[in-house]
Amino acid sequence: DAGVTQSPTHLIKTRGQQVTLRCSPKSGHDTVSWYQQALGQGPQFIFQYYEEEERQRGNFPDRFSGHQFPNYSSELNVNALLLGDSALYLCASSIQDRSSTDTQYFGPGTRLTVL
Amino acid sequence: DQQVKQNSPSLSVQEGRISILNCDYTNSMFDYFLWYKKYPAEGPTFLISISSIKDKNEDGRFTVFLNKSAKHLSLHIVPSQPGDSAVYFCAASGTGWGKLQFGAGTQVVVTP
Repeated sequence: DAGVTQSPTHLIKTRGQQVTLRCSPKSGHDTVSWYQQALGQGPQFIFQYYEEEERQRGNFPDRFSGHQFPNYSSELNVNALLLGDSALYLCASSIQDRSSTDTQYFGPGTRLTVL
Repeated sequence: DQQVKQNSPSLSVQEGRISILNCDYTNSMFDYFLWYKKYPAEGPTFLISISSIKDKNEDGRFTVFLNKSAKHLSLHIVPSQPGDSAVYFCAASGTGWGKLQFGAGTQVVVTP
């Protein structure tokens, strides 16, 4: 049973550039959430996708956008990169059930460095 | 607005002893709590969770205790093993919320 996968593993960009990160959810999962983890901090929620729509969003600017595809995989796009966007970006998958709270399972992350 | 707090950034424990990790929260709407373990260069791995209708949940060497009145939960690891050396994150959510709110983590080091 394949877990959550993310690509690429590492990425180096310069300020002002744009980046796209990719995520494939765990088999059987239909919901993808993205988190940003800065050094020494816990993951911070960016947004969640379900049925190809953004369902929830955290306190991140519009430079952060995403997409979910019919096969449930997802992309995170960040435009106009800033030095402060350097972080570990984590994707988590789960099964949508609004009557309960489901456990989210995380991928290995993409380490983004902005120079 | 840090709604989930782990006030101990680090914990050192001897192999075979009990590790106790603590977590406090401020939002009374949280009704589901999770613990994750993270090794360097890996994503967080789910360990154990607890719903607010319970006060204890056990899974092998891991037990989570929830004190709703104090808005406090703890993770007990017994006995601690060298492979338990990692960063442990406490997370919380509400029914149907989707998003998890994490604490800053506690670095656990298990010494021989």
